[in-house]
Amino acid sequence: GQQLNQSPQSMFIQEGEDVSMNCTSSSIFNTWLWYKQDPGEGPVLLIALYKAGELTSNGRLTAQFGITRKDSFLNISASIPSDVGIYFCAGQLGAGKSTFGDGTTLTVKP
Amino acid sequence: DAGITQSPRYKITETGRQVTLMCHQTWSHSYMFWYRQDLGHGLRLIYYSAAADITDKGEVPDGYVVSRSKTENFPLTLESATRSQTSVYFCASSETRPSSALGNTIYFGEGSWLTVV
Repeated sequence: GQQLNQSPQSMFIQEGEDVSMNCTSSSIFNTWLWYKQDPGEGPVLLIALYKAGELTSNGRLTAQFGITRKDSFLNISASIPSDVGIYFCAGQLGAGKSTFGDGTTLTVKP
Repeated sequence: DAGITQSPRYKITETGRQVTLMCHQTWSHSYMFWYRQDLGHGLRLIYYSAAADITDKGEVPDGYVVSRSKTENFPLTLESATRSQTSVYFCASSETRPSSALGNTIYFGEGSWLTVV
């Protein structure tokens, strides 16, 4: 099946710093999704990308759908303590099934 | 505004017992999914359903059974629980409409924590 490589696996940053994480795949996707998961809860959608090259923002978050359709990145600007959590990317080729990355665990030090 | 709900949220069971995790969604979404999440892994798809009475295997289906007699419900059954099935289980749903900007978005429940002893 399709595999996603998400990096970095974990990040320890100072409050106020910018964060960047990415996902790469050996095969193409038609949709990229970015989720955040807080401890003890289910993943919550942050940003959805539907076209190659698309750049979308949601507050301090910015994500891009790679032009090759095999990668995507998520940036968080001016991090705050509540940004702590696990961030997942997910790629979709067709209707229904998504393939998820293994997640990036973000720790923000005040 | 219920959305997607799972029950039970927490369950401890013994090896060999049958366990059913329930999932209910109020959006009438066509697609429903069951994922498991283990420490150090992302979400792995167990089974999914494109519509009532249509189900298909995901990445890790062994030891699990699903059914979808109604659009809004998608129960997951562990027929004979094993310790390797100790995990957090997430149900999810999506409405796939290619013309809609949100057509492929997947929405998750809050998870069911299952421990098999």
